[in-house]
Amino acid sequence: DAGVIQSPRHEVTEMGQEVTLRCKPISGHNSLFWYRQTMMRGLELLIYFNNNVPIDDSGMPEDRFSAKMPNASFSTLKIQPSEPRDSAVYFCASSLTEAFFGQGTRLTVV
Amino acid sequence: GIQVEQSPPDLILQEGANSTLRCNFSDSVNNLQWFHQNPWGQLINLFYIPSGTKQNGRLSATTVATERYSLLYISSSQTTDSGVYFCAVVRGSGTYKYIFGTGTRLKVLA
Repeated sequence: DAGVIQSPRHEVTEMGQEVTLRCKPISGHNSLFWYRQTMMRGLELLIYFNNNVPIDDSGMPEDRFSAKMPNASFSTLKIQPSEPRDSAVYFCASSLTEAFFGQGTRLTVV
Repeated sequence: GIQVEQSPPDLILQEGANSTLRCNFSDSVNNLQWFHQNPWGQLINLFYIPSGTKQNGRLSATTVATERYSLLYISSSQTTDSGVYFCAVVRGSGTYKYIFGTGTRLKVLA
């Protein structure tokens, strides 16, 4: 298996633009997680899905953030409109029992 | 929510030295993992260890779930061991939320 695949690896966008981050989990895993990492706040769980259903989105910062998992092999995290304070590394992870992380998307909002 | 504390926060070692990293958690957990975040930002699985002891080469880990702590041992450290070591736990049953500690930043000097 290729592991958890995230795209893009880097994204630079202007404030106010829509940003979509993508994730392909490991085949057979039933849980998917979106995390955000910043120097100030460390690794924060934004949302997680179990069997494609959002279970806990209490970490989503505000309504500008949304996440979907239309099927077992794909998830998106969307920020609309983006703001400079959204700049961070966004990780996707999937698990069956043990969690595995993708390589992350480094988002810069200018 | 559950608190996950790691110590020490920072550690500098000479190549070849041994070290012990600690993870304390404030409530019972179902899952516990150790990760290494390398200088390029990748989060690499080290151990899935909700209880007991495991070894993988120069690394080993022990979790004493009843006393709510886990230890990561690094022996004969190498410069490639540098990075941040995270402990992540899943509390209780019926949830899959991985909560991360604040990490131990390790620098191994040649």
